Amino acid sequence: SSELTQDPAVSVALGQTVRITCQGDSLRTYYASWYQQKPGQAPVLVIYGKNNRPSGIPDRFSGSSSGNTASLTITGAQAEDEADYYCNSRDSSGTHIVMFGGGTKLTVL
Amino acid sequence: EVQLLESGGGLEQPGGSLRLSCAASGFTFSSYAMSWVRQAPGKGLEWVSAISGSGGSTYYADSVKGRFTISRDNSKKTLYLQMNSLRVEDTAVYYCAKGYPGDSPLDYWGQGTLVTVSS
Repeated sequence: SSELTQDPAVSVALGQTVRITCQGDSLRTYYASWYQQKPGQAPVLVIYGKNNRPSGIPDRFSGSSSGNTASLTITGAQAEDEADYYCNSRDSSGTHIVMFGGGTKLTVL
Repeated sequence: EVQLLESGGGLEQPGGSLRLSCAASGFTFSSYAMSWVRQAPGKGLEWVSAISGSGGSTYYADSVKGRFTISRDNSKKTLYLQMNSLRVEDTAVYYCAKGYPGDSPLDYWGQGTLVTVSS
């Protein structure tokens, strides 16, 4: 299957924990990567692989995966975490196509 | 410091052509696959194409296959996207990014270049 599904919008109270999920058959084969995008800016990689953070990404960001679902967790959400979050992976049917989820708009209350 | 700088965007009529460039610096360009990703106004991210480090392998989204061609010049550390038979629905900000998901994440992105297809 060549589709990744995300909830369109999620909200979290300041300082609380939020989980953003991504579902798709390809996630049984490939780890998801997660990208944060703020208005008018290019996306930024925040999580990749099993649970890896690029240099400069706060450790409140973490990733996990189970079956066909990948999750991005923000523990102790900050105001600056308000952004769109996208998951992506490669299609697992051998097409070499890359997919993005539709994105989740995170609002920090 | 890794830097990716796109250029070549602009206004083009349906059926026309544009060539985007992405100048890379701060890493061994020839060692990494590269991708193009686009974002239509107010919409989500859409992967467009990828190319291996050597340039020997290329991959395309179904929406652009047969119309767009990705290439690279490793001596110039530059990535290209030749876009032919442009359609209104190709209107988007086009980002170049280092990596090819499944092999390597998109760990660095340019700031994007806007392509507008309109009559």
